[in-house]
Amino acid sequence: GQNIDQPTEMTATEGAIVQINCTYQTSGFNGLFWYQQHAGEAPTFLSYNVLDGLEEKGRFSSFLSRSKGYSYLLLKELQMKDSASYLCASSKGSAGNMLTFGGGTRLMVKP
Amino acid sequence: DTGVSQDPRHKITKRGQNVTFRCDPISEHNRLYWYRQTLGQGPEFLTYFQNEAQLEKSRLLSDRFSAERPKGSFSTLEIQRTEQGDSAMYLCASSPSIGSSYEQYFGPGTRLTVT
Repeated sequence: GQNIDQPTEMTATEGAIVQINCTYQTSGFNGLFWYQQHAGEAPTFLSYNVLDGLEEKGRFSSFLSRSKGYSYLLLKELQMKDSASYLCASSKGSAGNMLTFGGGTRLMVKP
Repeated sequence: DTGVSQDPRHKITKRGQNVTFRCDPISEHNRLYWYRQTLGQGPEFLTYFQNEAQLEKSRLLSDRFSAERPKGSFSTLEIQRTEQGDSAMYLCASSPSIGSSYEQYFGPGTRLTVT
């Protein structure tokens, strides 16, 4: 299957760095997505990793290790508006690249 | 607005009634997905269309659920004889089938409450 595991909740301080981990078990794994979701809103795309290594995009970076079935999302210089749920999702190469999501990590940024 | 749109945004219905939701994807996207999300959980895949063809259905999609995409543009999701367990946010997403990112763009969702 494609079980996705990520922590349920995390708390961090404004201006700090936080790392949200995600592990997955999959056959036919294609790539790993991270989405941000504010309460009551739709998920919005943050990053996509298909190759091993770190992808940096502004304050957000995402890492993938295919051999370990592991990814993380790194958020730097945290801002209050970063308080949201962060969803890790794996995709299969087949089935139209359908996404299997984890339960999400609810991040609370405190002043 | 050229993003994914969904209608209605909220629906309250009584148990046993039928409901239908609509999704309008980004116009150049030929892949369309339906997901269901309950409070505190991540979205769960329901079904997927490539153009007008429904190519994949989750086991979550019972016989009471049916989805269509008749002309390969907008899609509808119908739930017959609704049950309280159907209460959830129903999310639609679309993506291109070529290109490097395969990013799925989500609509704002339809929140269904079954009383």
